Amino acid sequence: DGGITQSPKYLFRKEGQNVTLSCEQNLNHDAMYWYRQDPGQGLRLIYYSQIVNDFQKGDIAEGYSVSREKKESFPLTVTSAQKNPTAFYLCASSISGHETQYFGPGTRLLVL
Amino acid sequence: GQQLNQSPQSMFIQEGEDVSMNCTSSSIFNTWLWYKQDPGEGPVLLIALYKAGELTSNGRLTAQFGITRKDSFLNISASIPSDVGIYFCAGQDNYGQNFVFGPGTRLSVLP
Repeated sequence: DGGITQSPKYLFRKEGQNVTLSCEQNLNHDAMYWYRQDPGQGLRLIYYSQIVNDFQKGDIAEGYSVSREKKESFPLTVTSAQKNPTAFYLCASSISGHETQYFGPGTRLLVL
Repeated sequence: GQQLNQSPQSMFIQEGEDVSMNCTSSSIFNTWLWYKQDPGEGPVLLIALYKAGELTSNGRLTAQFGITRKDSFLNISASIPSDVGIYFCAGQDNYGQNFVFGPGTRLSVLP
């Protein structure tokens, strides 16, 4: 089945630790995105990538890093510099940067 | 930056009632999207609108692209319990690389 997958569903991080969230799509989409969602809030853009080997900062990129070595994959690393990482993280993809975005199921990150 | 406002912020309705919600922007958009998010899940696309004045239906859902291009409306007819969730609008203008998302309308359906 075609779609976007995110893993893991839940992730626990200790203070000072880096963690990486996975996002994979087999829709042959060029563009991929990472959003952060806090309780009762809308979606805030962290990073996006319009094409392989290229990515841009979104509105809240500080404390996060990404890579786009393959078209299908856009992993997000939450670094120790992110002081308030507890949130629901959503990955999305679209055919191109101006097209409708489709979302993965999300990863909930909790700090211990 | 661009911001979208959604109203109402939350609503409680009786099963079988119709629902209306809207999304407004301070700037003109060329595309409007409506998503629904169930608790703990990713948003699912409901309806996409690409033209001012466009009215599009998806089952019991109907959405309209406002004539001013600064707003959009979503209506749900004959609500059922599975309509519960958060409804997000998203808009994109001519110049923006990405979509801007509203804060969402939380819908609760009482049996």
